[in-house]
Amino acid sequence: GAGVSQSPSNKVTEKGKDVELRCDPISGHTALYWYRQSLGQGLEFLIYFQGNSAPDKSGLPSDRFSAERTGGSVSTLTIQRTQQEDSAVYLCASSPGTLGYGYTFGSGTRLTVV
Amino acid sequence: DAKTTQPPSMDCAEGRAANLPCNHSTISGNEYVYWYRQIHSQGPQYIIHGLKNNETNEMASLIITEDRKSSTLILPHATLRDTAVYYCIVRVASRGNEKLTFGTGTRLTIIP
Repeated sequence: GAGVSQSPSNKVTEKGKDVELRCDPISGHTALYWYRQSLGQGLEFLIYFQGNSAPDKSGLPSDRFSAERTGGSVSTLTIQRTQQEDSAVYLCASSPGTLGYGYTFGSGTRLTVV
Repeated sequence: DAKTTQPPSMDCAEGRAANLPCNHSTISGNEYVYWYRQIHSQGPQYIIHGLKNNETNEMASLIITEDRKSSTLILPHATLRDTAVYYCIVRVASRGNEKLTFGTGTRLTIIP
């Protein structure tokens, strides 16, 4: 597609439930990134994919968080047993994965855990 | 990746040039300087990047000092839509080390 698409745009879930957030990167972009941004805070790196593998998952805050990418395209971020502190905007970005190129971000998924 | 230092906030009059400074005194020779901005409630938007030469595109100009320890992003004719948080980031662009680390940025407010 023309841009990075994320769904849903908004998600309200009850504490303890699992959620899945989806990211469709720009076609042909080999690199994909997940960040999150809590209210009034900066961007926190979560995980980076090059193709289907994740060479850097250092930002995942706990084992309740996992992500996968299939076919070198769509990625899913899963949060199990959600907690209130998981409430944030989850942002996905993609890039061609070659030297010097910037990222293109999606509009994010606003997750609210009640 | 090298750390950057930016002023927390700046104001600029509409129609004037906005000059946003960034210090990156520990930058390495193979690290690029990137600028992004984030308008309220949107994902960050790429603006420009450079290694050592000055760069210009349709959005902005990037001036990097000769010693590469600081840079300035210039928005030549600021409009109200340029009100945003601007992030200066330095990073090595090489396989296996692709993440961008965002700091707190500069909140730029364009004054009518």
